Amino acid sequence: GAVVSQHPSRVICKSGTSVKIECRSLDFQATTMFWYRQFPKQSLMLMATSNEGSKATYEQGVEKDKFLINHASLTLSTLTVTSAHPEDSSFYICSASPGDRADTEAFFGQGTRLTVV
Amino acid sequence: GNSVTQMEGPVTLSEEAFLTINCTYTATGYPSLFWYVQYPGEGLQLLLKATKADDKGSNKGFEATYRKETTSFHLEKGSVQVSDSAVYFCALKVTGGYNKLIFGAGTRLAVHP
Repeated sequence: GAVVSQHPSRVICKSGTSVKIECRSLDFQATTMFWYRQFPKQSLMLMATSNEGSKATYEQGVEKDKFLINHASLTLSTLTVTSAHPEDSSFYICSASPGDRADTEAFFGQGTRLTVV
Repeated sequence: GNSVTQMEGPVTLSEEAFLTINCTYTATGYPSLFWYVQYPGEGLQLLLKATKADDKGSNKGFEATYRKETTSFHLEKGSVQVSDSAVYFCALKVTGGYNKLIFGAGTRLAVHP
């Protein structure tokens, strides 16, 4: 089946620094990718929709200047957590689908655990 | 609007017990329905899906039937194993929603030997 690769799987950074997370679709093109955040023992919260060649669409309450998204190609989206703080520590997951139909499966990356110290 | 409601967990079962995790939904339009599973420290994997009323999705012994009349998509397995311990998410996607998945809160399943 289709594969979405997310990198890094774990990252520890100092407060105030920025961290970039990559999401790649390995065997299909994705005009749209999604970024989620998951708190311990909770569901996935959609942060933003990444659109190839255009600006990302952010969900209500998500700071676009804090979470920068770049969808530079049909196989790569990046999420940059800028000026990270301990409250940004979380599990971040991306997803992509090889098509636009509602019945198309979404494939998920393995997630990135960010710890800000 | 679109939403998914799952039964709260955690669900704790003994090996070989019968499993049911309830899921109901509200949707504008005609959604496709999914169950995803998340093992500890990992991303989500599709477990099964159904795209129209009365469809039954099945995989690895798990089943769920798309019930339009009750707006439900309950997950069942006849005999669980320890390896089934994970978090299960019910989700829907509607046409024109740009592939945006709407997730339920997730139900944690713990299976003991």
